[in-house]
Amino acid sequence: DVKVTQSSRYLVKRTGEKVFLECVQDMDHENMFWYRQDPGLGLRLIYFSYDVKMKEKGDIPEGYSVSREKKERFSLILESASTNQTSMYLCASSEGPAEFFGPGTRLTVL
Amino acid sequence: AQRVTQPEKLLSVFKGAPVELKCNYSYSGSPELFWYVQYSRQRLQLLLRHISRESIKGFTADLNKGETSFHLKKPFAQEEDSAMYYCAPSGGNNTDKLIFGTGTRLQVFP
Repeated sequence: DVKVTQSSRYLVKRTGEKVFLECVQDMDHENMFWYRQDPGLGLRLIYFSYDVKMKEKGDIPEGYSVSREKKERFSLILESASTNQTSMYLCASSEGPAEFFGPGTRLTVL
Repeated sequence: AQRVTQPEKLLSVFKGAPVELKCNYSYSGSPELFWYVQYSRQRLQLLLRHISRESIKGFTADLNKGETSFHLKKPFAQEEDSAMYYCAPSGGNNTDKLIFGTGTRLQVFP
């Protein structure tokens, strides 16, 4: 049973803070993904990684960066959080297209 | 540009009625297509993929390359089918990258 876990279910931060969202998977998957989910906009890909230390921009990478130092862990970083980054963030992992999702982190930026 | 359209934000039916959730895509090449589902307070999960050509929870989806559509169908809706459904083609330069539609919320009334 694939487990994708995310460090927090709910997070509240202030504008300008640096924010780290962590994602861990236990199935030795090559691919890991970060999406944000907004009503009316569906899921939009922020970044994905197809191997350790490898990353590729998704459709909305602006304002975000990622880190993949170990295969099982993929971190999303908001260097300076802004209110328009208030959203639900979903992590996923797979050997192919995103298949196994984490429970999500609802981030609110005040 | 690669695009996916789910024209209905909300689809409401009564239990036992047929259901069709529409998905149209605009893609070059031969994309793989997927349907994802998110039940209330649960994580997003893969429902089915077109290459497997299987029925999951009574749902089927046929890829129509002529119409570039991948509609999700079920002959008799159940209350437990109430959820958010996302269509997602993959392809382009990287077949592991999914482009999600904006989603359709299915409500099945008793």
